[in-house]
Amino acid sequence: QKEVEQNSGPLSVPEGAIASLNCTYSDRGSQSFFWYRQYSGKSPELIMSIYSNGDKEDGRFTAQLNKASQYVSLLIRDSQPSDSATYLCAVNNDQAGTALIFGKGTTLSVSS
Amino acid sequence: SQTIHQWPATLVQPVGSPLSLECTVEGTSNPNLYWYRQAAGRGLQLLFYSIGIGQISSEVPQNLSASRPQDRQFILSSKKLLLSDSGFYLCAWSVQSSTEAFFGQGTRLTVV
Repeated sequence: QKEVEQNSGPLSVPEGAIASLNCTYSDRGSQSFFWYRQYSGKSPELIMSIYSNGDKEDGRFTAQLNKASQYVSLLIRDSQPSDSATYLCAVNNDQAGTALIFGKGTTLSVSS
Repeated sequence: SQTIHQWPATLVQPVGSPLSLECTVEGTSNPNLYWYRQAAGRGLQLLFYSIGIGQISSEVPQNLSASRPQDRQFILSSKKLLLSDSGFYLCAWSVQSSTEAFFGQGTRLTVV
């Protein structure tokens, strides 16, 4: 059973702080990793994708991947109240005919 | 650019009634298509995925079925709804298994 684990939270940070979201996965064959943001009542929207070990930065967001430790994280710098949402980690092993497996998400609350 | 349409946005159905949810994708050919369900307080559960017309893989045995009558059309159906079928149903597409998936706006189904 392939699993993706996330701390459900809530993770509370003050405005301007760095929010750190973590995710672990069970399938060592996983090759593609994604972070989605989901506002309450809305569908998930893609924030970041990462395929190689190391860091990938996009604006205020940094994704970090460590395949040896089966660990992927998302850092949000200068957190804003508009960042308050549930963040979903998704993983795929890239075999033909497979789909993304999602964690249950971490709820982030940014207070002003 | 690619867009995904999913309807209806909300649906209230009595127990035992049939269900048909439709999803279409524009601006791409031969996409991978997915149906996910998100129950209250739970993560995204993969229900079905399709890599081509008439090719459907089921992840969870239940009273739901899916069909792909055209390249960019994906339909989720049920002959008789159960209370446990309530949830947020999300259609998604991707270029291939290893790439990011993009979600439709979702259908919030309440079975009463």
